[in-house]
Amino acid sequence: EDKVVQSPLSLVVHEGDTVTLNCSYEVTNFRSLLWYKQEKKAPTFLFMLTSSGIEKKSGRLSSILDKKELSSILNITATQTGDSAIYLCAVVGGSNYKLTFGKGTLLTVNP
Amino acid sequence: DAGITQSPRHKVTETGTPVTLRCHQTENHRYMYWYRQDPGHGLRLIHYSYGVKDTDKGEVSDGYSVSRSKTEDFLLTLESATSSQTSVYFCAIRPGQITDTQYFGPGTRLTVL
Repeated sequence: EDKVVQSPLSLVVHEGDTVTLNCSYEVTNFRSLLWYKQEKKAPTFLFMLTSSGIEKKSGRLSSILDKKELSSILNITATQTGDSAIYLCAVVGGSNYKLTFGKGTLLTVNP
Repeated sequence: DAGITQSPRHKVTETGTPVTLRCHQTENHRYMYWYRQDPGHGLRLIHYSYGVKDTDKGEVSDGYSVSRSKTEDFLLTLESATSSQTSVYFCAIRPGQITDTQYFGPGTRLTVL
């Protein structure tokens, strides 16, 4: 059974801080790892990381995949209150393209 | 929003009644998914579809059935709703075989009393 563990489960920071969110996984025939942001609505896609694309960056957000350690990190620099959300990590394994999600990290950015 | 709508957006029903949730997409994507999201459990896959009349079970499929008679619609049915099925239900699509990324609909909040 595929498994995804995220840490920490929740985090409170002040505006301007830099945060690192962690995701570790156990999956058969790893294909990709995805990060989503969820505010009070549906998850929205941030990044997809694969064996051929282990680093992604968009503005203040960046993510790295470590296939040796079976993990990924999501970094957010110079945090803003608008970054407050649940950040979800998911992995795709095997041939059926199903996503297995972690329980998420609740990030709260205080002004 | 990847052209996905869900209906209804909110529903309150009583234990033992049948409930059908609808996911509609406008872009002819082949792959569609139903998830439920609960505190402490994250998002869990209920059922998915890889084409018209082609569906398969996810990790939490007990008590749920699905149907896909048209490319654009994927229906999730609770034959006899129970309080444990109170949840937020999300539909998702995967736009083709070249990507693993799924895009989510706005969700349906279902309360079973």
